[in-house]
Amino acid sequence: EAQVTQNPRYLITVTGKKLTVTCSQNMNHEYMSWYRQDPGLGLRQIYYSMNVEVTDKGDVPEGYKVSRKEKRNFPLILESPSPNQTSLYFCASSLYSRDRGLRGYTFGSGTRLTVV
Amino acid sequence: GQSLEQPSEVTAVEGAIVQINCTYQTSGFYGLSWYQQHDGGAPTFLSYNALDGLEETGRFSSFLSRSDSYGYLLLQELQMKDSASYFCAVRDPGNTGKLIFGQGTTLQVKP
Repeated sequence: EAQVTQNPRYLITVTGKKLTVTCSQNMNHEYMSWYRQDPGLGLRQIYYSMNVEVTDKGDVPEGYKVSRKEKRNFPLILESPSPNQTSLYFCASSLYSRDRGLRGYTFGSGTRLTVV
Repeated sequence: GQSLEQPSEVTAVEGAIVQINCTYQTSGFYGLSWYQQHDGGAPTFLSYNALDGLEETGRFSSFLSRSDSYGYLLLQELQMKDSASYFCAVRDPGNTGKLIFGQGTTLQVKP
């Protein structure tokens, strides 16, 4: 089954304790992205990657890191989480072309992160 | 910059038809897409319009008018399971894969 897999689904952590949210896709998609979703603010892009070893900042990259060492994996790293990073996070992937990104964004199931 | 506007809430009864509108402002347009999200779940792709007109997929249809910078999602024969949030989205012309989402419309279907 074609899918984007995120782990964990739920995470409660303390301020300053480094954490990683994993994301893996099995569709051979070039493009991967992380979004966070907050009430009243909608979905905002954190980081994206157009292919292996190619990553760039989205709209709200502060406090996050990513890496793309393999095509299928795109982990999100919070080096020193803070309470304002409490949010619902989604990983997404798509084929890289001028219109495919609109047609075929596949989202993971989400990670609900709470930082206390 | 890019922005999208859609109503925050819509209520309809089971079996009815509902239309969710979306107006957009973007410096470069590559089409309008729609996503559905059930509470706490992942957004799922519904439809995409690159050209003017109506696209139909089962009970759902999507319409685009590029001259009016306007589109809508039409849901027919509403079912309780259609209660969800619906987002329109356009692609950021400066980033070939980034989607910019509207704030979402919460659809409540009542019996």
